[in-house]
Amino acid sequence: DGGITQSPKYLFRKEGQNVTLSCEQNLNHDAMYWYRQDPGQGLRLIYYSQIVNDFQKGDIAEGYSVSREKKESFPLTVTSAQKNPTAFYLCASSAGRATEAFFGQGTRLTVV
Amino acid sequence: QKEVEQDPGPLSVPEGAIVSLNCTYSNSAFQYFMWYRQYSRKGPELLMYTYSSGNKEDGRFTAQVDKSSKYISLFIRDSQPSDSATYLCAMSAVDAGGTSYGKLTFGQGTILTVHP
Repeated sequence: DGGITQSPKYLFRKEGQNVTLSCEQNLNHDAMYWYRQDPGQGLRLIYYSQIVNDFQKGDIAEGYSVSREKKESFPLTVTSAQKNPTAFYLCASSAGRATEAFFGQGTRLTVV
Repeated sequence: QKEVEQDPGPLSVPEGAIVSLNCTYSNSAFQYFMWYRQYSRKGPELLMYTYSSGNKEDGRFTAQVDKSSKYISLFIRDSQPSDSATYLCAMSAVDAGGTSYGKLTFGQGTILTVHP
């Protein structure tokens, strides 16, 4: 089945620790994205990548880092510099010249 | 002022009702408009996608875009309890090359409950 796989589904970390969220897609999409969703809010763009080895900051990139070494993979690291890391994180992808984004099932990160 | 405004509701309707969900926006560069449905603790699922102004129908769902008013709508006919979810509008502009890579701006979502 084609799709976007995010893992793990739930993640708990202590304050001050870095944590990496996994996102893999087998849709052969060129572009990949990370969004953050907080209760009662829409999605906000953290980072996006249009091609391998290239990525751009979104609206709320501070405290996050990404890499895009393979077309299929776009991991997100939540660093200790992120002041409010507890949130629902969503990864998405889209084909090169289309605009519809397709989402994974999300990772719920809780920092205690 | 947010670029995209969406009434968060919550909206509660009886089964079989016609539901109207709306978003307004301020960025005149937006040309692609989408509606996503999100069930609790799940990722958003694409429902409708339209380009520029006009209507698009898919089964019980109709999406309308009025660029002159910067207003988009999603209508759900014969609503079902399974339609209970959060509905998110999203939109994107085109880049200099005339394409958009899915960099979306979202409304905050409307929580819909359809009761039997």
